[in-house]
Amino acid sequence: DVLMTQSPSSMSASVGDTVNITCRASQNINIFLSWYQQRPGRVPRALIYAASNLKAGVSSRFSGTGSGTDFTLTITNLQPEDFATFYCLQGHSPPWTFGQGTKVEMK
Amino acid sequence: QVQIQESGPGLVRPSETLSLTCSFSGSSITTRSLYWGWIRQAPGKGLEWIGSLYYNVSNYYNPSLSSRLTLALDMSKNQLSLRLRSVTAADSAVYYCAAYHWSFDHWGQGVLVAVSA
Repeated sequence: DVLMTQSPSSMSASVGDTVNITCRASQNINIFLSWYQQRPGRVPRALIYAASNLKAGVSSRFSGTGSGTDFTLTITNLQPEDFATFYCLQGHSPPWTFGQGTKVEMK
Repeated sequence: QVQIQESGPGLVRPSETLSLTCSFSGSSITTRSLYWGWIRQAPGKGLEWIGSLYYNVSNYYNPSLSSRLTLALDMSKNQLSLRLRSVTAADSAVYYCAAYHWSFDHWGQGVLVAVSA
C-alpha cells in the first residue's frame, strides 16, 4: 500500500501569509495526486488534480507542485475563507490513500 | 453537472449490516471516464477511502474493510450501493459518495451513520 505522509498536521497563519503543505508518498505515484479543502461542517472540495492542475472555479491563490513521491500545496495571500483542513489523495494504485490532513488555523 | 445524493439509515445496531445507496444525476454511471467511490469520515477524524468502482469492470476496496464490504453499481437505476457487514462503533462516520476523474470532483452531502445499540 502507498502511505501518504502529510505535514504539518496543523499550523497557524495570518491573513496574507503564504502556506505550504507537503505530502510524501512511500513509493512513486507519478502525478496521481489530488488536493482537497474541507471547511468545518462542510463537504470536501477538490482544489488540485494531477498534482499541479487547478480545478475550475478554484482561486489561483492555490497551486500544486511535485511528481513521484514529493508534493506541495501552496496557498498564497491567505484569505479568511482559506482557514480549513486540507488533504492529499493518491489515486495511483489501490488502495487509494488520503494524507492525515493539515489544519490551517488563524494565528 | 453531476448531482449526487446518498441515502440510508442514520442508526445501525452493532453486528448488523449497513446499507447505503448513492443516486446520481447529470451523468450516466456507465461513463467510462469516471470512477465512483465511497469515502467516510469518523467524527473529528480525517478522510478514509472506502472503495471505488469503474463501470462494473474493476472494484477496488480498502483492505481494512474488504472482508466486510460489498460495493455495486446498478446501471439501470444509475445508483451505487454500499453494504458493510458486522458493523461496530468504529464504523460510525459520515459516509460520502463521490465521482472521481483525476480527483473526487463531485460529492454528495454525506449521510451520518451511528452504530449503536
